[in-house]
Amino acid sequence: GNSVTQMEGPVTLSEEAFLTINCTYTATGYPSLFWYVQYPGEGLQLLLKATKADDKGSNKGFEATYRKETTSFHLEKGSVQVSDSAVYFCALSDGNQFYFGTGTSLTVIP
Amino acid sequence: DTEVTQTPKHLVMGMTNKKSLKCEQHMGHRAMYWYKQKAKKPPELMFVYSYEKLSINESVPSRFSPECPNSSLLNLHLHALQPEDSALYLCASSRQATNSYEQYFGPGTRLTVT
Repeated sequence: GNSVTQMEGPVTLSEEAFLTINCTYTATGYPSLFWYVQYPGEGLQLLLKATKADDKGSNKGFEATYRKETTSFHLEKGSVQVSDSAVYFCALSDGNQFYFGTGTSLTVIP
Repeated sequence: DTEVTQTPKHLVMGMTNKKSLKCEQHMGHRAMYWYKQKAKKPPELMFVYSYEKLSINESVPSRFSPECPNSSLLNLHLHALQPEDSALYLCASSRQATNSYEQYFGPGTRLTVT
């Protein structure tokens, strides 16, 4: 079946540090991949997406590349800010349903 | 505009009460979803409406009753809930239920069952 595996959190970084949150997936066919962010007390916001192999999604300094050979979609940001503190969910869609990873909590300290 | 609105923001109800959650979108999306999210967990799919018809019910207890009056509105009727139903209830919409379109989420309703 389809599934998404995210790195365990929580992750704590200092401001301006480099961020990587690992995400790997299992799917049949050619899924679309997404990163969502959830700030405290809010719903999920779409951060970026990629719909085919080698696509790079990017938004607000975050980026992720759809790697079919390694079945991965790792989230990166070159310099995190305190305002990036949130929970990040990796997700895939097989055209019928979304599958979410367990979420990775990020705290950025000044 | 990529906004999905939900009301109320917070709801406290007793186990014998009847209440409803409301969700609205004006993006012309034809798929709408209800999710339940417990603390520190990912959202769990409850229901999917496609073109105003219920297409997926993920074995949700009958004390949760969804309704889609039109393509912009989605309701979730609640009756005789249990304390373990306390959670954040999220509504989402997408252009269609198929073809891997991204889902847009509302801010959620924080439900507490006493």
